[in-house]
Amino acid sequence: DIQMTQSPASLSASLGETVTIECLASEEIYSNLAWYQQKPGKSPQLLIYYANSLNDGVPSRFSGSGSGTQYSLKINSLQSEDVTIYFCQQNYDSPFTFGSGTKLEIK
Amino acid sequence: QAQLKESGPGLVQPSRTLSLTCTVSGFSLTSYGVSWVRQPPGKGLEWIAAIWSGGSTDYNSALKSRLSISRDTSKSQVLLKMNSLQTEDTAMYFCARFSYTSPFDYWGQGVMVTVSS
Repeated sequence: DIQMTQSPASLSASLGETVTIECLASEEIYSNLAWYQQKPGKSPQLLIYYANSLNDGVPSRFSGSGSGTQYSLKINSLQSEDVTIYFCQQNYDSPFTFGSGTKLEIK
Repeated sequence: QAQLKESGPGLVQPSRTLSLTCTVSGFSLTSYGVSWVRQPPGKGLEWIAAIWSGGSTDYNSALKSRLSISRDTSKSQVLLKMNSLQTEDTAMYFCARFSYTSPFDYWGQGVMVTVSS
């Protein structure tokens, strides 16, 4: 199984700041990497797919990058509504494993 | 627009079998796959199983011996069965749509399952 190591587990930042979350796959996943945002009591929402493609309706302050085994999610100009939990997921090979999540908080 | 809705019992006794249904609308199960994902309270996401648009299936290797996923295309439903339930299976269970070109782009609201006597 492909293991996804997501870091940091938690992140404190100020509104307007730029933050970066990273995911490391245990083997090559050929950019088959997705990022999800999950707000309390809600189902996850797809932000980014294929490492750097923005899902419909997602604000442009979100961006994804990476290749091989290393990927990152960047949020520019942090807004209050961005303060929640983020997960990465590899969809290259079954089982489609998730990272352990990053909780983003306001400093 | 695609919609998915999970249904099932809220409470299941230990050692019993859990049966969950994901009813979809706005898309065809022969064009998209459906996966099940669970999330224990306060914890992360765990992928459980998938049924592809062509009908083939995949399972979480750690749970495979306890799982069965199937579909009824005439009813637009995907069924998940998990046997020998334990307290650690207590979680919110979600179903989500996917395809060969897109990961989980639509999710259901989830159904909470508690395993307790």
